[in-house]
Amino acid sequence: QSVLTQPPSVSAAPGQKVTISCSGSGSNIGNNYVSWYQQLPGTAPKLLIYDNNKRPSGIPDRFSGSKSGTSATLDITGLQTGDEADYYCGTWDASVTAFYVFGTGTKVTVL
Amino acid sequence: QVQLVQSGPEVKKPGASVKVSCKASGYTLSTYTFTSFGISWVRQAPGQGLEWMGWITTFNGNTNYAQRLQGRVTMTTDTSTNTAYMELRSLRSDDTAVYYCARRMLSGGYYHDSWGQGTLVTVSS
Repeated sequence: QSVLTQPPSVSAAPGQKVTISCSGSGSNIGNNYVSWYQQLPGTAPKLLIYDNNKRPSGIPDRFSGSKSGTSATLDITGLQTGDEADYYCGTWDASVTAFYVFGTGTKVTVL
Repeated sequence: QVQLVQSGPEVKKPGASVKVSCKASGYTLSTYTFTSFGISWVRQAPGQGLEWMGWITTFNGNTNYAQRLQGRVTMTTDTSTNTAYMELRSLRSDDTAVYYCARRMLSGGYYHDSWGQGTLVTVSS
């Protein structure tokens, strides 16, 4: 079981906005930067956001990230059918057994 | 551009070992940079989420393994071929998964900017 909790699924119509939350604790999100990954069906994950809110080159500004306290959020605006995928947050957890951790994952469905 | 190409699918019996390779191109594993290149290994069981298995800091070979895999996993690099390897021993049926390598970067925090295509490892008697 992951220490980062995400909602199992979110959905919205094309053109709308979805928000995906990632809830952690002080040993992970509270004191470390968060990244976000998109996994289209049958493919490898792809980096969307790093350092809480930075986009790699080529990632459209429809994708944005933020962090507050021990939670992080990924917003997708102007939803497109091609955004239908699984989304994962990730961060370092500096507890006694330090490790990198991914969130439980959220399935985005475009209605 | 950075590319990670993994070895092909494997079928193993319980108790056996598997070694998956990840050949990097577009950058050199052994180069020391401020961004502290590493290679993470991440697996995904059928229908499940991503599980971090550990990583190797490629310029000096330092490793950090997930506690639940300690003693069964070894991550190495071969600088002559710019290839990273992950070996998992004493395989069980619940090790059946797609295994990914990913380049670990460090800016404010760690993140993974390039991923291999994945290697399906099936453990079955």
